[in-house]
Amino acid sequence: KNEVEQSPQNLTAQEGEFITINCSYSVGISALHWLQQHPGGGIVSLFMLSSGKKKHGRLIATINIQEKHSSLHITASHPRDSAVYICAVQNTGNQFYFGTGTSLTVIP
Amino acid sequence: NAGVTQTPKFRVLKTGQSMTLLCAQDMNHEYMYWYRQDPGMGLRLIHYSVGEGTTAKGEVPDGYNVSRLKKQNFLLGLESAAPSQTSVYFCASSLIDRAYGYTFGSGTRLTVV
Repeated sequence: KNEVEQSPQNLTAQEGEFITINCSYSVGISALHWLQQHPGGGIVSLFMLSSGKKKHGRLIATINIQEKHSSLHITASHPRDSAVYICAVQNTGNQFYFGTGTSLTVIP
Repeated sequence: NAGVTQTPKFRVLKTGQSMTLLCAQDMNHEYMYWYRQDPGMGLRLIHYSVGEGTTAKGEVPDGYNVSRLKKQNFLLGLESAAPSQTSVYFCASSLIDRAYGYTFGSGTRLTVV
């Protein structure tokens, strides 16, 4: 069993839809990361969370430490949001565990 | 622009050849990391460094060596490349403070034939 599970693996949405990507983990963590990878390979760190909620523009990330669950939301989705979104957790020993990613396609 | 710079961006090696990937950051970050990304497997940590002169093994360190002689540079070496090391390699850096997220490089696509 993977330490980090993401769902869904693939997601297709119409432009303007509200999107949610979920991440569950089974290890104790010091931080959880949401990463974005566009075609071509560049990986961008979207959020680092240790509690609560963060918001950047149309992106919102939440984490529930007790339930070991995080969600990434995209409001008013746009085709440029099409990318692979990766959840990663970091423990206090600086070990990292990564999900396999959610491939998002937003159709105009 | 400030950030993480990886060189080269692409490379093809023959089995048994050696090479060094360079990661440079100009943000005064303490931590630096090398990951590899293979299809369907997500990112895996190869080695990391928590400061100048220090290195530590990650999940998949075998076949790689690293050095952090200067705070701004983190080098990943392949002494004898193997086809199993065909992958995309990403470098990242971060501050010690957990409030700050990571900064990733744009990746190096390595093919070993």
